[in-house]
Amino acid sequence: DAKTTQPTSMDCAEGRAANLPCNHSTISGNEYVYWYRQIHSQGPQYIIHGLKNNETNEMASLIITEDRKSSTLILPHATLRDTAVYYCIVNPNAGKSTFGDGTTLTVKP
Amino acid sequence: DAGVIQSPRHEVTEMGQEVTLRCKPISGHNSLFWYRQTMMRGLELLIYFNNNVPIDDSGMPEDRFSAKMPNASFSTLKIQPSEPRDSAVYFCASSPHVGQGWHTFGSGTRLTVV
Repeated sequence: DAKTTQPTSMDCAEGRAANLPCNHSTISGNEYVYWYRQIHSQGPQYIIHGLKNNETNEMASLIITEDRKSSTLILPHATLRDTAVYYCIVNPNAGKSTFGDGTTLTVKP
Repeated sequence: DAGVIQSPRHEVTEMGQEVTLRCKPISGHNSLFWYRQTMMRGLELLIYFNNNVPIDDSGMPEDRFSAKMPNASFSTLKIQPSEPRDSAVYFCASSPHVGQGWHTFGSGTRLTVV
């Protein structure tokens, strides 16, 4: 599995867009990028995934660079409830995910 | 859909006792995963099953840990004998099939071994 690098922590003002970066420079051609988040004391929650095209769903947008070596998760209008640890994961289609340390996002009023 | 169901939510046991954690995956999901989360080591994959068959147990810390999936709707993770360093939150997750990389996680079992 390709390794990922994320900032340890980030702050965001409530109502503003939160942009969470992830580097995955060793990603291979068949590996997808997945994002999860974990709110305190809960199980991780799947957010979004993509291969090479940008993706959007009701929770977030995922922007993947053309060389696929990095990506950005965008929460368009962050709320206090978006405060969580966000994990960026790269894995082949074997279904196994390896979680790193993630980014602790704190949304402030 | 009730999601992935884990039981118990909390377990406190004495060192040396056997502990059994239970998981019911989402109906129709063919892959099941057991994770352990601690402050020191983060979220670690212990073992995963596909179609009830263990595929990769390389994350199981030692022989005291064992996992079974007797049918598509039930899995157990057993620790015998338990030790204080096993204290952690244990998560079960399921996904629809091999190649479907996103997991749906349960609420976890918080295990404390005293």
